[in-house]
Amino acid sequence: EVQLVQSGAEVKESGESLKISCKGSGYSFTSYWIAWVRQMPGKGLEWVAKFYPGASNAMDSYTKYSPSFQGRVTISVDKSTSTAYLQWTSLRASDTAMYYCARHYYDSGNFGGYDYWGQGTLVTVSS
Amino acid sequence: DIVLTQSPDSLAVSLGERATINCKSSQSVFRGSLNKNYLAWYQHKPGQPPKLLISWASTRVSGVPERFTGSGSGTDFTLTISSLQAEDVAVYYCQQYDSDLHTFGQGTKLEIK
Repeated sequence: EVQLVQSGAEVKESGESLKISCKGSGYSFTSYWIAWVRQMPGKGLEWVAKFYPGASNAMDSYTKYSPSFQGRVTISVDKSTSTAYLQWTSLRASDTAMYYCARHYYDSGNFGGYDYWGQGTLVTVSS
Repeated sequence: DIVLTQSPDSLAVSLGERATINCKSSQSVFRGSLNKNYLAWYQHKPGQPPKLLISWASTRVSGVPERFTGSGSGTDFTLTISSLQAEDVAVYYCQQYDSDLHTFGQGTKLEIK
């Protein structure tokens, strides 16, 4: 069974750093792109970034950030544990949101939608 | 970035009636080499992660009820729920994954009239 399991809710102060995780299981983790999606309180879904876990960490072409998030967050991966990370070095109150990871479906050269999602990680940042 | 604009922002439909949600893209998401539109529809209920309903504009995901139908091509797309059920109350999003930077529409809130 394909699963993406995210780390638990976090409560942080403005200026603190944070790293949340998304652990994949039940499939070849390095064969599918992973995306991060944000939902601020009462708002819609926003695309944050995507990356390909199968790429070398030096391959920037396999990581894409939305301009709205470029420079604010960093994606990383631990292939040995099939875990993806989203991190901040200095949180702001405006980072308060639910963050989801999702798998981008792919088969035989053809991409589909995001077929599996993590349960979400709620990040609360107080000012 | 490709901008997706959904209409309406909210919609109230009687049980058993048809619900129609539109999604307009600022540029074509049609991949001629694959003959596919790189557009998906999601259903999002409170307290749950979004659920993929339709890929490639019109291909229903396995297990999604047949009352959900996606249509359209290029820049204009539609999600139709043929006979609204109580469990369909949710926010619906379109998403394009054609460009390197994927984007979502702003969402359409569907309620029971």
